[in-house]
Amino acid sequence: AQSVSQHNHHVILSEAASLELGCNYSYGGTVNLFWYVQYPGQHLQLLLKYFSGDPLVKGIKGFEAEFIKSKFSFNLRKPSVQWSDTAEYFCAVKGVDAGGTSYGKLTFGQGTILTVHP
Amino acid sequence: GAVVSQHPSRVICKSGTSVKIECRSLDFQATTMFWYRQFPKQSLMLMATSNEGSKATYEQGVEKDKFLINHASLTLSTLTVTSAHPEDSSFYICSARGPHSNQPQHFGDGTRLSIL
Repeated sequence: AQSVSQHNHHVILSEAASLELGCNYSYGGTVNLFWYVQYPGQHLQLLLKYFSGDPLVKGIKGFEAEFIKSKFSFNLRKPSVQWSDTAEYFCAVKGVDAGGTSYGKLTFGQGTILTVHP
Repeated sequence: GAVVSQHPSRVICKSGTSVKIECRSLDFQATTMFWYRQFPKQSLMLMATSNEGSKATYEQGVEKDKFLINHASLTLSTLTVTSAHPEDSSFYICSARGPHSNQPQHFGDGTRLSIL
C-alpha cells in the first residue's frame, strides 16, 4: 500500500524567508505526485503536480517541487515566502500503470501548517 | 476553474440523528466523486469512491450502512451519516473528477459535523 509522510506538522517563518517542506512517499511503482494547499476557510487547491519529464516542477504563486526518485521524495520549495502563503500544505501520491494512466486512490500526507509572520 | 460546492459547511445535531451532506459540481460533469474524512492533525482519509449511477466502493473499515453514498447524477453526490454518534464528529470533504483518472480532482470546502 502506498503512504505519504510529511516531516513537519507546523512550520513558522518570517516573510522573505525561504521555505522547504519535506515529503516522502512509499510505493513500489511509478507515481504521480501532487502538492495541495488549503488556505484558511477554503477548499483544497492544486499547487503543482508531477506526472513525468523534468523532475523540477513549477507551480502557482512561485512554488516549485523536485522529484528525487532515489529518495522517494517530492519536497516543496519557495525562495521567499509571503504572509499570504499562510496555509496548510498537503503532499499526495497516486500510482501509475505501465500505460501512464493513473489509477487507485490519491493518498495524502498528514499536512504541514505554514504560518508566515509579517 | 472547476468548482465543487459542498453543503452544509457546518452542522451540529443530536446523537441518533441522520445527517445528509451534499456535494455538487457546478461547471463540469463529475463522473467520479470521492468522500474523505479528516481528523485533527491527520491526513485526509478516503472513505469511498462513487461513479455516477453505480454503487459506491468503500475503503476497508468504512461501514457502508453507516455512511450512505448516493451519486445519482453527474453533478450531485450525497453522503448520509445515519444515526450519527459523537465518534462520527469530524470534517468531511468531497472531491469530484471527470471520467479520466488522469484528470485533476476538485475539492469542496468541507463540512464540519459535530454530534452532541
